[in-house]
Amino acid sequence: QKEVEQNSGPLSVPEGAIASLNCTYSDRGSQSFFWYRQYSGKSPELIMFIYSNGDKEDGRFTAQLNKASQYVSLLIRDSQPSDSATYLCAVTPVDSSYKLIFGSGTRLLVRP
Amino acid sequence: NAGVMQNPRHLVRRRGQEARLRCSPMKGHSHVYWYRQLPEEGLKFMVYLQKENIIDESGMPKERFSAEFPKEGPSILRIQQVVRGDSAAYFCASSPNRGRDSPLHFGNGTRLTVT
Repeated sequence: QKEVEQNSGPLSVPEGAIASLNCTYSDRGSQSFFWYRQYSGKSPELIMFIYSNGDKEDGRFTAQLNKASQYVSLLIRDSQPSDSATYLCAVTPVDSSYKLIFGSGTRLLVRP
Repeated sequence: NAGVMQNPRHLVRRRGQEARLRCSPMKGHSHVYWYRQLPEEGLKFMVYLQKENIIDESGMPKERFSAEFPKEGPSILRIQQVVRGDSAAYFCASSPNRGRDSPLHFGNGTRLTVT
């Protein structure tokens, strides 16, 4: 079992819709959870981070964390074509506050 | 405030040559991390350095790979006697502190191609 799992996609949504990206992790002791956006050939860019169970909102983005289910998600409201990218979920393991364990990413395609 | 700077952006080496990848962290950041990304895969942690110290190299292959972050100058990731399997994108990240309140900021990466 991979430590951080994501559906590779592509996830295709129409412009203006809500895109829902999901991630599960295996280390129950994980403390910190991050979502990065990566355009093709570019660097990962931090979108959101979340530490506590529940929701965290920032503009059009909402991160949701459920530690009991070992599940973290990212919702993108009012999706725009410019949101088309690969979204990487990352988790810090219980024994490290700095080492990120990344999923392989979900490719999102927002259709105009 | 300039971001994390990596160079070169693209590097082509023949098998057996050496590859040197450079990373200058963001201003004020003293913590540097190297990650490797193989095609269609997520980033994999390689090494974590502070100035003049290797803190965690648990993700580095035991042979041919080394990293440093000298008192002056950029961090260097060095790969000796490259093989085709070393072809990947190598990303450097930096943070001002260690810990969850200091998320990593990534550079644009160096894409290494071994022919």
